[in-house]
Amino acid sequence: GQQVMQIPQYQHVQEGEDFTTYCNSSTTLSNIQWYKQRPGGHPVFLIQLVKSGEVKKQKRLTFQFGEAKKNSSLHITATQTTDVGTYFCAGPDNAGNMLTFGGGTRLMVKP
Amino acid sequence: ETGVTQTPRHLVMGMTNKKSLKCEQHLGHNAMYWYKQSAKKPLELMFVYNFKEQTENNSVPSRFSPECPNSSHLFLHLHTLQPEDSALYLCASSRKREYNEQFFGPGTRLTVL
Repeated sequence: GQQVMQIPQYQHVQEGEDFTTYCNSSTTLSNIQWYKQRPGGHPVFLIQLVKSGEVKKQKRLTFQFGEAKKNSSLHITATQTTDVGTYFCAGPDNAGNMLTFGGGTRLMVKP
Repeated sequence: ETGVTQTPRHLVMGMTNKKSLKCEQHLGHNAMYWYKQSAKKPLELMFVYNFKEQTENNSVPSRFSPECPNSSHLFLHLHTLQPEDSALYLCASSRKREYNEQFFGPGTRLTVL
């Protein structure tokens, strides 16, 4: 079945440093979604990428979808303590029936 | 705040108890989902309902029984659970089953003693 992997699993950064999480799918994806889950909270949708090579920005967050539509990345510039949480990528299965979530990258930011 | 509510927020039950989790969405969505999230595993999809019809059952043990009486409500009936079933149970909805962003509820933190 489809597998979605994320690395790293955990990342500690000093406030102000940059952060990147990588997402890789075992199959080509029609789109990829990113979610953020704050500690004690629930996943919240951030963005969806659809086109090959697509790059989207949300303030300090930059999302990229690979040319082969099998990988994606989320880059945060100059992290802040408010960025703390777990970032999940997710892609639909081939039949489009359900989203498969990656294992998530937990970001911790030291003030 | 996301338009998806879940009750109860916390639940402690014994292995012989029967309880139900409730989810309600106020977004007019047609697809609803149950996920299990534990410390060791990422988001695990359990059930998918599309227009009240169950379309996916992701190899979930029969001690979990879903019910979707209408497109706004989703239940998860629990009976004879095991301690390893302790987890955060998240409900989500989307406009349609395929591709759309999912809106998650706050979850029910379940502890099975």
